[in-house]
Order: sequence, then C-alpha cells, then structure tokens
Amino acid sequence: GIQVEQSPPDLILQEGANSTLRCNFSDSVNNLQWFHQNPWGQLINLFYIPSGTKQNGRLSATTVATERYSLLYISSSQTTDSGVYFCAAQSYNTDKLIFGTGTRLQVFP
Amino acid sequence: GAGVSQSPSNKVTEKGKDVELRCDPISGHTALYWYRQRLGQGLEFLIYFQGNSAPDKSGLPSDRFSAERTGESVSTLTIQRTQQEDSAVYLCASSPHKAQPQHFGDGTRLSIL
Repeated sequence: GIQVEQSPPDLILQEGANSTLRCNFSDSVNNLQWFHQNPWGQLINLFYIPSGTKQNGRLSATTVATERYSLLYISSSQTTDSGVYFCAAQSYNTDKLIFGTGTRLQVFP
Repeated sequence: GAGVSQSPSNKVTEKGKDVELRCDPISGHTALYWYRQRLGQGLEFLIYFQGNSAPDKSGLPSDRFSAERTGESVSTLTIQRTQQEDSAVYLCASSPHKAQPQHFGDGTRLSIL
C-alpha cells in the first residue's frame, strides 16, 4: 500500500517565524489532506489538496502530484499553531486514507 | 448535527469487558471511517463504510473488533473481551463520498484497566 512520510518529526519555533512541513508519498493519489491535531486531541481539516496550491490565511499548501510530495507552509506562526500536523494520502486503488506519523510543532512566545 | 458526533467521549472499563462506541456522521455523508490512535502515534485505519456496499474491514486488528452501520447513518464499533493494548482514542470520520475531504469527530478515549 501507499507509504506516507513526514518531515521534520519535531519543530520548535519562536512566535512570528515561518516554517515548511513536508509530506512524501509513494503512489499516485486521488486524495491528500493536511490536518492539525490540537493539544486537546481534536483533528482539524486544514486542506484537501490532491494537487495544486491553496491558501487559507497564514497557512498555504502545495501538492506536486507528479513528484509525489506536498508542502504545508505556516507563516508568522502563533502559539495557537502548536500541535501535531498530519498529512494523509489515499491512492486510486484503495479506499483507505493513510496517515503519516506527523510533525510535532511547538511555538513559543 | 453540524459535525461528526462520537459517544461516549471517555470510557474506562475493566479488561475482558465488551465496549460499544458510537459515531453519528454528518448528514448526507455516504462514507464513514473508523481509526485508532495510540498515545503519541499517528492514526491507524480500522474500517470503512460506503453506502450499502460491503465494508472494507482490512484494518481491524483482530476478530474481537467489529463494526456496523445502518444505511448511511449511525455506526457502532464493538470491541469484545477488551485487552489493555486496546487503550487508545478511537476516531470516526465521514465524507460526502470516498476520496473527498474527511471530517473527524472528537473521538472516544478508551482506557482498559
């Protein structure tokens, strides 16, 4: 099945800094999503982005499907951005969304 | 309701007991998924329902785990003869159809003593 790898595993930032999180996947995808899991465990859907670029406020994401990777950009980070960011991908021959192991982000004031 | 609803939010039970977890998907969503998340780890796929098609049960870890869904509404995940390694957060998600954005409930935190 499809493999999903995320990097870096941990990231520590000072408030106001920018960051880029990466997700590599091993097969063509018809579904790719980025999620934020906050410190209370809630999973928030950030982007549905099997290809192309999307922006939502300080966050943006780009998926280059032909090269099998996706990037999540966080600009002007805030302490409320802390938590774990998951990438999840689904290939054409399966109904399963496979999650990466996540990037744990800590933003300090 | 507006989002995916799961109950109970927390469940503590003794080893060997059976537990039943409930998920109410977003109205109109034909696809429903169950995942397990152990402490500090990512999400592990358990089972997928799509409309009236046969469910994809390939992620269920043992025959102690089963799930049902009535049409395109409520789903229940049942764990029989619980073991301590079953302790985890069980998350449910729904989407309008497969390969579309999945929306998650807040999960059920299951603790086996």
